[in-house]
Amino acid sequence: AQRVTQPEKLLSVFKGAPVELKCNYSYSGSPELFWYVQYSRQRLQLLLRHISRESIKGFTADLNKGETSFHLKKPFAQEEDSAMYYCALRAKMIYNQGGKLIFGQGTELSVKP
Amino acid sequence: DTGVSQNPRHKITKRGQNVTFRCDPISEHNRLYWYRQTLGQGPEFLTYFQNEAQLEKSRLLSDRFSAERPKGSFSTLEIQRTEQGDSAMYLCASSPLQTGIPGTGELFFGEGSRLTVL
Repeated sequence: AQRVTQPEKLLSVFKGAPVELKCNYSYSGSPELFWYVQYSRQRLQLLLRHISRESIKGFTADLNKGETSFHLKKPFAQEEDSAMYYCALRAKMIYNQGGKLIFGQGTELSVKP
Repeated sequence: DTGVSQNPRHKITKRGQNVTFRCDPISEHNRLYWYRQTLGQGPEFLTYFQNEAQLEKSRLLSDRFSAERPKGSFSTLEIQRTEQGDSAMYLCASSPLQTGIPGTGELFFGEGSRLTVL
């Protein structure tokens, strides 16, 4: 079974502090991992994906298959980072299978001035 | 606005009534997904389509729920005999068909349709 766990419902930090939002997954195959973000009064949108190994808005995430984790990190949090963050997993695509994303419960990040 | 569009944005109904939500995806997107989200939870997968074919339906989905995408464009999600437990935000998302490159199939979400069952 595919499962995504985000252990923290709320993470509160001060501006300029480092941030790490935790994500652990359960999947027997080779997963594709994503982070989605929802800012206040906006729709859910992609933040970054593990395959791209990119940094978006200062955020990075490394897939650790040994620990089955995909934690989201930012060295210096900004107030505009305050939002709901969802980790998501997709089973590796095989013809006409996979496709759906399985989401975690979400972590609310609050960055205080 | 060429994003994913959902209607109605809000629906209040009495228990036992039927409701229907509509989703208009981004025009060139082959795949269309329905999710349900309740307070404090992440989006829960309901079903998805590739063009007009419904490829997967959640085993948790009651048979009171049915979704269609008759011409491979817009989709409808109908809930029959609504129950108070159906109260949630219903999210629609679309994506282009992946080109074989893992991880590139970004989902584009609509703003959702909020259902309240009294």
